[in-house]
Amino acid sequence: KQEVTQIPAALSVPEGENLVLNCSFTDSAIYNLQWFRQDPGKGLTSLLLIQSSQREQTSGRLNASLDKSSGRSTLYIAASQPGDSATYLCAVRDSGAGSYQLTFGKGTKLSVIP
Amino acid sequence: ETGVTQTPRHLVMGMTNKKSLKCEQHLGHNAMYWYKQSAKKPLELMFVYSLEERVENNSVPSRFSPECPNSSHLFLHLHTLQPEDSALYLCASSTGQGKHNEQFFGPGTRLTVL
Repeated sequence: KQEVTQIPAALSVPEGENLVLNCSFTDSAIYNLQWFRQDPGKGLTSLLLIQSSQREQTSGRLNASLDKSSGRSTLYIAASQPGDSATYLCAVRDSGAGSYQLTFGKGTKLSVIP
Repeated sequence: ETGVTQTPRHLVMGMTNKKSLKCEQHLGHNAMYWYKQSAKKPLELMFVYSLEERVENNSVPSRFSPECPNSSHLFLHLHTLQPEDSALYLCASSTGQGKHNEQFFGPGTRLTVL
């Protein structure tokens, strides 16, 4: 059964710092990996989707990498801003049974201090 | 705004009540999902509908009953719920049946069962 782990569970950084969020998964047989942002009490906003054949994706100040063989992904946020404060969730779509299944981590709660 | 709307945004109900959650997507997608997000737990997939047919049901208790009358609408009918069912219920949609397709989430319904 796929398991997704996100470390750290919470992170607090001063404004302007570059930071890295980590995601690991136990079964490397995946179709893709998706990073989401969730603001308190709100739904999920998709940030980046990396297909299993890709190594990284970039959107603005965000860069996500994928190392499928080692079961790892990182989300790099450059020049962090207070508006980046949110919970960041990583999810993988397995290539095995249950093709619609997205397995989520518990998230990393990011606080960017002005 | 992701193109997926959910109503109501907040719901408080007693254990003997019957209520329904509604989800509507304006993206032309034909797969829709219900997820449950409880405190300190990862998002859990409940149901998946593709082309208005249920394709996944992740061992959800029968007190939760989904309905998908067309590809744009998804309902979750609730009856005789328990306090532990209190959670954020998220709806998502994606295009086609492809395993590579990105899921877009609504804002969620915050459910409290008294």
